Amino acid sequence: NAGVMQNPRHLVRRRGQEARLRCSPVKGHSHVYWYRQLPEEGLKFMVYLQKENIIDESGMPKERFSAEFPKEGPSILRIQQVVRGDSAAYFCASSPPRIGNAEAFFGQGTRLTVV
Amino acid sequence: AQSVTQLDSQVPVFEEAPVELRCNYSSSVSVYLFWYVQYPNQGLQLLLKYLSGSTLVKGINGFEAEFNKSQTSFHLRKPSVHISDTAEYFCAVSEDDKIIFGKGTRLHILP
Repeated sequence: NAGVMQNPRHLVRRRGQEARLRCSPVKGHSHVYWYRQLPEEGLKFMVYLQKENIIDESGMPKERFSAEFPKEGPSILRIQQVVRGDSAAYFCASSPPRIGNAEAFFGQGTRLTVV
Repeated sequence: AQSVTQLDSQVPVFEEAPVELRCNYSSSVSVYLFWYVQYPNQGLQLLLKYLSGSTLVKGINGFEAEFNKSQTSFHLRKPSVHISDTAEYFCAVSEDDKIIFGKGTRLHILP
C-alpha cells in the first residue's frame, strides 16, 4: 500500500545543470500536483496534471520549468539551467479526480540544493 | 482567487496546555477547508478536513477545527498538547481542483 513516492529525496546540482524530480502517485490516482516550499513562505502551487495532460500550470515559472505526467511511469518536474534561487523542497501530491472533496496525499519531498 | 491567512508564523505553548492555531480564508460560495501537519523533514499529512455538515470537525491526534462562515475562519485547536505535536501546521482551501496553502504556523512545545 505505497503512498506517493518521490525520488530522489535529496538532489544537489551545480548552477546551470538540469534537475529532474520524479513522483509516483498513489496507485489508482490520476491527478498529480507539484508544490514548492521555500523557508518562511509555505507551499506554493506550481502545476496540476492528469495523465498526458496539463490542467493548470499557473504557478509554474515561465522559463526553465516543465512538468509531465505520461501515460506510463512517474510524473517528472524538470528544471533546466538551475540557479541558486531554485533551491527548495519540492512536494508532489496525488488524488483521485475532484480534489475538492477528496484528500490529497503528499510525498516526502525532494530537497534540491543548487551550489 | 482564494487565499488563506495564517496570522501566526510561530506559536510557543507549554506541554499539556491548550493551543489554537488561527486560519482565515477569503470568502467563496462553497469552500472545502483542510489542515495539514508537516513534521521535521517529512511530507504533509492530513489532520482534518471540512467539506460540509457539522461545523466542528475532529481529526487525528486529538485535533479539531471549527468552521465559522460568518468570520471566514477555520481555527485549529487541541486541548492538551504533547511534545510530539512539534511541527508546522498548514491551513488550506481548495479551489478549482487545486489546494491553496497558508504560509504555515510552527508549533513549539515548551517543556
